[in-house]
Amino acid sequence: DVKVTQSSRYLVKRTGEKVFLECVQDMDHENMFWYRQDPGLGLRLIYFSYDVKMKEKGDIPEGYSVSREKKERFSLILESASTNQTSMYLCASSPNYNQPQHFGDGTRLSIL
Amino acid sequence: AQKITQTQPGMFVQEKEAVTLDCTYDTSDPSYGLFWYKQPSSGEMIFLIYQGSYDQQNATEGRYSLNFQKARKSANLVISASQLGDSAMYFCAMREVLYSGANSKLTFGKGITLSVRP
Repeated sequence: DVKVTQSSRYLVKRTGEKVFLECVQDMDHENMFWYRQDPGLGLRLIYFSYDVKMKEKGDIPEGYSVSREKKERFSLILESASTNQTSMYLCASSPNYNQPQHFGDGTRLSIL
Repeated sequence: AQKITQTQPGMFVQEKEAVTLDCTYDTSDPSYGLFWYKQPSSGEMIFLIYQGSYDQQNATEGRYSLNFQKARKSANLVISASQLGDSAMYFCAMREVLYSGANSKLTFGKGITLSVRP
């Protein structure tokens, strides 16, 4: 089975902090994705990557950056956390565009 | 621009009955794919079923089937013989092929909450 692991299930940070959310997949997938999920808004794509060191902006990239130095790891970075970034963050991976994305368990991030 | 619409309010179904969850989409691309995911209260997203725009048959996976009506741009999920464990939020998503042609992203609907009554 595909395993997508997010480093933290729950995280509490303060406004202005630099926050790192880590995601690791064990199936050698090419594509990796970061979403945020908010009530009534569904999942919105922040950034994605289809190869090592490659990244593409999703629908809501402002305030975020990403890093993919190794194929299995995709990191989401909040450069200077703000309260409106309190949300559930979901990481996903897929081998190619015709295959379903496999998700991690999510990180509930609270910015105080 | 792509759009996925899930407009049903919270849905309720009696255990062992069938239920249909609606999804309509809007795209001008001839090639696209439609996915359904389930999200229980624990939070993980579970892939249920996939339908490609050129598939001739409606997709089925166990108790899940997809009622794909291309002309109407609808891709409704049908769950037969509902179980208590089916209580969850359900998301419809569409694959969008990007300019590179080799990569894609998913656009998700806002989800539907399903509650199964004993």
